[in-house]
Amino acid sequence: AQTVTQSQPEMSVQEAETVTLSCTYDTSESDYYLFWYKQPPSRQMILVIRQEAYKQQNATENRFSVNFQKAAKSFSLKISDSQLGDAAMYFCAYRSAGSRGNKLVFGAGTILRVKS
Amino acid sequence: GAVVSQHPSRVICKSGTSVKIECRSLDFQATTMFWYRQFPKKSLMLMATSNEGSKATYEQGVEKDKFLINHASLTLSTLTVTSAHPEDSSFYICSARTSGRAFYNEQFFGPGTRLTVL
Repeated sequence: AQTVTQSQPEMSVQEAETVTLSCTYDTSESDYYLFWYKQPPSRQMILVIRQEAYKQQNATENRFSVNFQKAAKSFSLKISDSQLGDAAMYFCAYRSAGSRGNKLVFGAGTILRVKS
Repeated sequence: GAVVSQHPSRVICKSGTSVKIECRSLDFQATTMFWYRQFPKKSLMLMATSNEGSKATYEQGVEKDKFLINHASLTLSTLTVTSAHPEDSSFYICSARTSGRAFYNEQFFGPGTRLTVL
């Protein structure tokens, strides 16, 4: 079974600075998807960024980018120019590709605090 | 596009009563819906997966008779917590997945329902 590990329960960043959230995963599959979700205080889950395992290029979405290291099974999220609205709980998630790709496997989450 | 609603957003009930939570995909057809439970500052715990027109698949440790899931149409799934007890108090989140290529089989999440059992 796949597992996702987020080793940082909490992180803090100064407004306008950069922060990196860590995520590692364990799988024997070669084709899969990785995601970062944001859960703000409203508790609505919001997709931040997605990475397909077969793509070597790291995904980026505006201020959000990932460092995907397939061999190391690492998938970190970098938030640049942090804003107060980035404060939230962030979850890393894994999903198998193909017909087995049904469930999301979530990490434990990282609470990100943004200081003004 | 890809909006998922949940109703109610909050519910308070007495111990022993049953509570129904609805999850609707508003602008797409959801071939699969998922129900999660989340405790404060914790991760989402998958309870069950439901496919339209068939029985739900429950995760290990989740009581089928306690948490009844019905996925009667491509836009609606319901979770009924039967004979609720205070330990069932939690935040319940649904998500819906489409097989349409435009959304890369994404899961879209509802806003959640806070259940409090007195």
